Amino acid sequence: GQSLEQPSEVTAVEGAIVQINCTYQTSGFYGLSWYQQHDGGAPTFLSYNALDGLEETGRFSSFLSRSDSYGYLLLQELQMKDSASYFCAVRDRRGSTLGRLYFGRGTQLTVWP
Amino acid sequence: SQTIHQWPATLVQPVGSPLSLECTVEGTSNPNLYWYRQAAGRGLQLLFYSVGIGQISSEVPQNLSASRPQDRQFILSSKKLLLSDSGFYLCAWSVSLANTGYTFGSGTRLTVV
Repeated sequence: GQSLEQPSEVTAVEGAIVQINCTYQTSGFYGLSWYQQHDGGAPTFLSYNALDGLEETGRFSSFLSRSDSYGYLLLQELQMKDSASYFCAVRDRRGSTLGRLYFGRGTQLTVWP
Repeated sequence: SQTIHQWPATLVQPVGSPLSLECTVEGTSNPNLYWYRQAAGRGLQLLFYSVGIGQISSEVPQNLSASRPQDRQFILSSKKLLLSDSGFYLCAWSVSLANTGYTFGSGTRLTVV
């Protein structure tokens, strides 16, 4: 099976940097993804790490350490619009089947002015 | 470009009534299709996934079923709704062996009364 752990809430002020951690357990790891979901909306894809290291996309970066079963999402220069829930998700592999995502419970980020 | 349509946006149904939620994808062929459910303040739970017409895999035994009558159509159904079926239902698609993430539909908020 799969399990993912991430903090339930994080708060920060505009312009700050925040890191959301995620630890996972899965029987067939293939990659770690991050999604953003605003209240009432659908999740939108932010980033994907299949290999160890840091992936940068604008103000957002994502890191993966497969040996530690750990990753994080780093949000820089926070803006009010970044207030949302952030989910980590593991993509599994079972034999030749790829692609299913299993999500953590999400981290509610609140950005204060 | 690829688009995903999901309807209805909101639904209020009495306990014991049937359910049919539809999802269609445009602009791609042979997508992987998924149904997720999100309870209030919780993560996303994978319900069903499909890698092709008529091929359905269930992740969690429950009161729901899924069908894929056409390549780009995915339907979630129930014969008799339970109160516990309330939630936010999300359809998503992905391309196998790609790392670009899932694309979610706008979701259906189902309230069973």
